[in-house]
Amino acid sequence: EVQLLESGGGLVQPGGSLRLSCEASGFTFSSYAMTWVRQAPGKGLEWVSAISGSGGATYYADSVQGRFTISRDNSKNTLYLQMNSLGAEDTAVYYCAKESGYNGYDNFDYWGQGILVTVSS
Amino acid sequence: EIVLTQSPATLSLSPGERATLSCRASQSIGSHLAWFQQKPGQAPRLLIYDASNRATGIPARFSGSGSGTDFTLTISSLEPEDFAVYYCQQRSRWPLTFGGGTKVEIK
Repeated sequence: EVQLLESGGGLVQPGGSLRLSCEASGFTFSSYAMTWVRQAPGKGLEWVSAISGSGGATYYADSVQGRFTISRDNSKNTLYLQMNSLGAEDTAVYYCAKESGYNGYDNFDYWGQGILVTVSS
Repeated sequence: EIVLTQSPATLSLSPGERATLSCRASQSIGSHLAWFQQKPGQAPRLLIYDASNRATGIPARFSGSGSGTDFTLTISSLEPEDFAVYYCQQRSRWPLTFGGGTKVEIK
């Protein structure tokens, strides 16, 4: 059974940093791309970033380019999202999702339960 | 950026009725469109991928159609558990984008 468990969320001040983690199990982690999607309170879904199975290719939404860094440790079956220079607009539930392929632009077939990030003073 | 416009924003129907949801892309995306269902407090769930393929475990009452710029998600006969928000998403071009969602509510 595929399981994705996010952690690392919480309250952070504007301008601060936070690192999210997503621990995966139930599949061969290194064989699949992974992605982060967020959802601001009461709003729709926004794709944030994706990474290929090897970690060699990364992709970002314009809204986070230069501030967020996606990475993965295939030896630990864990996906990360390093978030810097956080602003109120980054307040959201962050979901990690497994993709159905290796490259980073495949279907999001399994999702974690989400983790809340609140940016506020 | 490819903009996905979903309509209607809200669909009020009764159990047993047919639901037809629309997703229009600002430029052609071939068949690279997926549909997700999201219930309150839950993560999205993949329903349909590549415009018309049901994901694992998705009931046959859900079907998808379309290509290019116009896509449709049809729920043939609404069950109580189908009342939720539905999102379309394209993976044809970066950045990947989602539609604004259609809420299917009980009439």
